[in-house]
Amino acid sequence: QITLKESGPTLVKPTQTLTLTCSFSGFSLSTSGVAVGWLRQPPGKALEWLALIYWDDEKRYSPSLRSRLTVTKDTSNNQVVLRMTNMDPADTATYFCAHRNSGYDHWGQGTLVIVSS
Amino acid sequence: QSVLTQPPSVSGAPGQRVTISCTGSSSNIGAGFDVHWYQQFPGRAPKLLIYSDAYSDNNRPSGVPDRFSGSKSGTSASLAITGLQAEDEADYYCHSYDSSLSGSEVFGGGTKLSVL
Repeated sequence: QITLKESGPTLVKPTQTLTLTCSFSGFSLSTSGVAVGWLRQPPGKALEWLALIYWDDEKRYSPSLRSRLTVTKDTSNNQVVLRMTNMDPADTATYFCAHRNSGYDHWGQGTLVIVSS
Repeated sequence: QSVLTQPPSVSGAPGQRVTISCTGSSSNIGAGFDVHWYQQFPGRAPKLLIYSDAYSDNNRPSGVPDRFSGSKSGTSASLAITGLQAEDEADYYCHSYDSSLSGSEVFGGGTKLSVL
């Protein structure tokens, strides 16, 4: 059974760096073909894809956010970490991590991040 | 402005059939990339409803009723829901890949389905 859970701060100040951790179980990020993605959803708005990391450490980023995003994996601890720099109130959203197979077939519950001074 | 365009809302009466369109371009759906569909209820994480693979554009994960089906033609994809039920009232999103955006994944703007 695959499960994922996001953790991190609920409130960050503008210009700060956000660090979110996705802790997962039921699969290994060292297995060929496996990937974990990050997505977000501002309140009342659509889903937005942020980043993806593969089992072989290949990484992909949203072109519009590439300069602010870093995704890393800790295979031994079954975690994926997303860092987003220079946070802005427009980055207020629920952030999700999800297991990528054919589509995102398993999702975390999401964590709300509010950017405010 | 989403790369994939969906109607903001659709509606139908119980028992009816509704379709939700997802219009892309030659760099995403038109290039033959997979299209996936998600269902999302308020306050909940999205759920994979339909996924594409090398063999079919209409695969359903275990537990998804066969009332839901996906199709693709040219630069567009569609999600069809037959025998509409009150519990189908939710937001629906399409998802694909775009070769013009440095290997980026793209989502539609979402469609709110109302069951009248």
